[in-house]
Amino acid sequence: DIQMTQSPASLSASLGETVTIECRASEDIYSNLAWYQQKPGNSPQLLIYDANSLADGVPSRFSGSGSGTQYSLKINSLQSEDVASYFCQQYNNYPTFGGGTKLELK
Amino acid sequence: QVQLTESGPGLVHPSETLSLTCTVSGFSLTGYSVYWVRQPSGKGLEWMGRMRYNGDTSYNSALKSRLSISRDTSKNQVFLKMNSLQTDDTGTYYCTRDSGGLFDYWGQGVMVTVSS
Repeated sequence: DIQMTQSPASLSASLGETVTIECRASEDIYSNLAWYQQKPGNSPQLLIYDANSLADGVPSRFSGSGSGTQYSLKINSLQSEDVASYFCQQYNNYPTFGGGTKLELK
Repeated sequence: QVQLTESGPGLVHPSETLSLTCTVSGFSLTGYSVYWVRQPSGKGLEWMGRMRYNGDTSYNSALKSRLSISRDTSKNQVFLKMNSLQTDDTGTYYCTRDSGGLFDYWGQGVMVTVSS
């Protein structure tokens, strides 16, 4: 199985700040990577696919980048509604998820 | 519009079998695959198994011996059965639509507690 290592596990940031979440795969996943946002009590929602493509309806302050084994999710100008947990997922093989990053407001 | 809805018991006793149903609308089970994904409380996501659009199934090797997934296309339903439940099987169980390996629609989830 492809292992996904996500960091940090938790993050505290101020409104308007830029935050970055990292995800490392145990082998090359050829940009077959998605990011999800999960707000408390809700199911995950797709944010980014193919490492850098924005899903429908996702604000442009979210962006994804990376290749090979290293990927990142960036949130520009943090808003209060961005408080959530974020997960990466590879789909180069059977899906595996990162451990998640819990984003809170400072 | 696309919807997935999980249903099943909220409480299962240790060693018993969990049975869940995922009812879908807005798309065909013969056109899309559906996964079951679970999430222990406060923790990460784990794929459990897949019902492919063609009726084939795949299972996470860690759960394969306990898990069975089936479907009824006439009722737009996908079923999960997992036996020998233990307390660490407690969590939220989701069904989700596969769109080329990523998951574009999710059900609201069903919380399952394993306790005596």
